Amino acid sequence: DTEVTQTPKHLVMGMTNKKSLKCEQHMGHRAMYWYKQKAKKPPELMFVYSYEKLSINESVPSRFSPECPNSSLLNLHLHALQPEDSALYLCASSPTSGGAGEQFFGPGTRLTVL
Amino acid sequence: GEDVEQSLFLSVREGDSSVINCTYTDSSSTYLYWYKQEPGAGLQLLTYIFSNMDMKQDQRLTVLLNKKDKHLSLRIADTQTGDSAIYFCAEYHGGSQGNLIFGKGTKLSVKP
Repeated sequence: DTEVTQTPKHLVMGMTNKKSLKCEQHMGHRAMYWYKQKAKKPPELMFVYSYEKLSINESVPSRFSPECPNSSLLNLHLHALQPEDSALYLCASSPTSGGAGEQFFGPGTRLTVL
Repeated sequence: GEDVEQSLFLSVREGDSSVINCTYTDSSSTYLYWYKQEPGAGLQLLTYIFSNMDMKQDQRLTVLLNKKDKHLSLRIADTQTGDSAIYFCAEYHGGSQGNLIFGKGTKLSVKP
């Protein structure tokens, strides 16, 4: 298995909802990433997990809460989001957080906050 | 500082070669990457080059690196309509918590 999968593909939520985004990889990668991408912009790094521990939090608001239950799974818990949080959320993985930095991306979850 | 620059648009005819250019500022970059993003999709890793190389070829793709000028290019030979996408250049600085710094992306349009 050489891909990163993300569910759901699309998500519409209200500002009072709680939802979660899921990401999975079975390539044995030990680093996983969450990115946010607004339209016509490059991806912006949100979080990095290395060996299941949070190693980078790019000053992301607490309404976004990442979780890494095991080395294959990465979740992003969402609560009390704002309309400006609407974006494509991309998950990526790499063999380690060092090394060549070669990151493999999932297809993304298109999030709309009403 | 960390900055990656790309031109925003490129239009070519089907069958022609496309050359997408990128400049970066951090001379300590260890790896440089090209990613492709089709509309509504995630990023697909196309190729990457280590900073001690000056050229890498992979089928229709040729990457050229001029480390002195901090200039990277991606040449796509025999461009097809399926190559229409946004192409992101990214640099990686290495280290235990290194991450990718992306350019703004070049939108390639291929006309039949």
